[in-house]
Amino acid sequence: DAGVTQSPTHLIKTRGQQVTLRCSPKSGHDTVSWYQQALGQGPQFIFQYYEEEERQRGNFPDRFSGHQFPNYSSELNVNALLLGDSALYLCASSHTGGSLGNQPQHFGDGTRLSIL
Amino acid sequence: SQQGEEDPQALSIQEGENATMNCSYKTSINNLQWYRQNSGRGLVHLILIRSNEREKHSGRLRVTLDTSKKSSSLLITASRAADTASYFCATGSGGSYIPTFGRGTSLIVHP
Repeated sequence: DAGVTQSPTHLIKTRGQQVTLRCSPKSGHDTVSWYQQALGQGPQFIFQYYEEEERQRGNFPDRFSGHQFPNYSSELNVNALLLGDSALYLCASSHTGGSLGNQPQHFGDGTRLSIL
Repeated sequence: SQQGEEDPQALSIQEGENATMNCSYKTSINNLQWYRQNSGRGLVHLILIRSNEREKHSGRLRVTLDTSKKSSSLLITASRAADTASYFCATGSGGSYIPTFGRGTSLIVHP
C-alpha cells in the first residue's frame, strides 16, 4: 500500500520562473493539503483540495495555485518565483469523514525547492 | 501566527532517559495531534487526542491534554537513538479542516 508520493524530490529554479509540484495521495484518501516548510520552522498551510475544489486556503499569495484531479492526485503551482519561496513543500493526504479537522494526515517526503 | 508552540525548542538526552516536550496554544481546540519529522523527511503522525480526553498512550508515547491551561505534553519513555527527530504539535479548532503546526522541538538522543 503506497503512501503519499511527491515528485520531484529536488528542484532548482531561478527567480521569476514557474514551478509545478506533484502529489499522489495515499490509497483510499480523497483530500490533499499542501504545506510550505522553511528551514527550522513548522509546516505552514497553503491550501487543501477536496472533490477537485480548493476547500480552504492559508495566508499565501495568488502566485500559489493548485489543482486536484479526479483520481485525487494534486499539483501545486507557483508563479513568479522569489528567493523566499525556497523551502520544503509537503503534501499530506487524509480521508474526509468524521469531525472537521480531526483526521490525521499522512505526509509525503516533500519536494525541496531551491531558488537561485 | 501559529496556534501551537512547542517547548523546549531543543532537547538533548542520553539513550534510556525519558523525554518530555510541551505544547501551548491560545484558542479553544477540537483536538491536538503530535507528529514526528526525521531530518529531510515528511511528518509522521504519532497520536491524536481529542478535547474531551485527558491522556492517551501509544507504545512508549504518553500524551496529556489540559484544556484549562491550553497545554499538552508528549512523553517518550526509555528513549532510543532512533527517536532523534523534530516533534510538532498541531491543533485543530473551530471549522478549520486543517491542523495548525508549531515550530517544533528538536530532540537528540545520544547512544
